[in-house]
Amino acid sequence: DAKTTQPTSMDCAEGRAANLPCNHSTISGNEYVYWYRQIHSQGPQYIIHGLKNNETNEMASLIITEDRKSSTLILPHATLRDTAVYYCIVSPLGQGGSEKLVFGKGTKLTVNP
Amino acid sequence: DTAVSQTPKYLVTQMGNDKSIKCEQNLGHDTMYWYKQDSKKFLKIMFSYNNKELIINETVPNRFSPKSPDKAHLNLHINSLELGDSAVYFCASSRLLVPDTQYFGPGTRLTVL
Repeated sequence: DAKTTQPTSMDCAEGRAANLPCNHSTISGNEYVYWYRQIHSQGPQYIIHGLKNNETNEMASLIITEDRKSSTLILPHATLRDTAVYYCIVSPLGQGGSEKLVFGKGTKLTVNP
Repeated sequence: DTAVSQTPKYLVTQMGNDKSIKCEQNLGHDTMYWYKQDSKKFLKIMFSYNNKELIINETVPNRFSPKSPDKAHLNLHINSLELGDSAVYFCASSRLLVPDTQYFGPGTRLTVL
């Protein structure tokens, strides 16, 4: 079972920031937080991951609380193409090849014009 | 260039038949995976192969047999297809590093009649 809790759906206006929350209150010290998204009828796409510190890349920013029990994915300027299901996943730091991503239900983000 | 490719994209077949889905990655990754996404959109890992060695086998019926002829390919053979096997199957790959990101293929939609 997924170890994360996310809202079922969210809406965002095009051009505005989309802030997607995730609760992972039982996260262990060796577990990373990953975010993936799945645009309709496509394979999941990696967005970002982090352990303790906040992270930023060309797609998004990841804010992890100090106690690591929750995180927020931020899409700074959402576009219509960002409409997708966003998955927050915690995964233990296993051996290479044993990275078992357990997908939950995710958050359906709809970006409106 | 396509990073992770799957063939066929759609597969419609009768119950009891045997079918195969092929996956190829041109990323030079050492690890490959098969995931199943059912009608309720839950995405679950089935298998993981690392350098052609089976690492993860998530209590999948033995009618499903993955085969990795080389590091770039991981095929999924399914015997005696059942109605419940209808789903979208995704292949993914990653490097032999942790943490690392998984790159997913476009998916194969299998429909068993």
